[in-house]
Amino acid sequence: DIQMTQSPSSLSASVGDRVIITCRASQSIYSYLNWYQQKPGKAPKLLIYAASSLQSGVPSRFSGSGSGTDFTLTISSLQPEDFATYYCQQTYSTPWTFGQGTKVEIK
Amino acid sequence: QVQLQESGPGLVKPSETLSLTCTVSGGSVSSGSYYWNWIRQPPGKGLEWIGYIYYSGSTNYNPSLKSRVTISVDTSNNQFSLKLSSVTAADTAVYYCASYDGSGYFFRPWGQGTLVTVSS
Repeated sequence: DIQMTQSPSSLSASVGDRVIITCRASQSIYSYLNWYQQKPGKAPKLLIYAASSLQSGVPSRFSGSGSGTDFTLTISSLQPEDFATYYCQQTYSTPWTFGQGTKVEIK
Repeated sequence: QVQLQESGPGLVKPSETLSLTCTVSGGSVSSGSYYWNWIRQPPGKGLEWIGYIYYSGSTNYNPSLKSRVTISVDTSNNQFSLKLSSVTAADTAVYYCASYDGSGYFFRPWGQGTLVTVSS
């Protein structure tokens, strides 16, 4: 199985801050990397697919980059509605696997 | 647009079989563009992919659960289902169904999720 490791596991930030979350795969997954946002009691929501493609309807303050084994999700200016848990996911090979999540909390 | 909705018992006894159904609306499970998935999330924990079924009936399961999982599709009712046998408390989780886009390689949309508790 491909292991996905996110860092940090949690972070505290203020509205307007730039936030960067990293995701590392245990082997190359090329660009088969997605990012999801999950709020309490809700299903995950797709933000970024193919490492850097913004899903339709997702604000442009979200961006993704990387390829191979190292990836980042950047929120350029954190908004109140962005406080949530973020997961990376690889779909390069089954079993498809997720990172353990990064919880973004209000400072 | 495609919407998914999980249904099934919220409480299952240990050693019994968990059974859930996902109803697809606004689209067809017979669409060749999508794979139909189950994912679960234990309370307070991360996401685990369980497996998928293609409209043809071909399946792919997570090896960690493969011996206990069966996913089936019912094209006449536009549904797909999950059966997980010999459940224990470790199977307590929110279970989500989701569509995997075979061209975009991502999960979207997801159902709202349903909590299944394993307890006597």
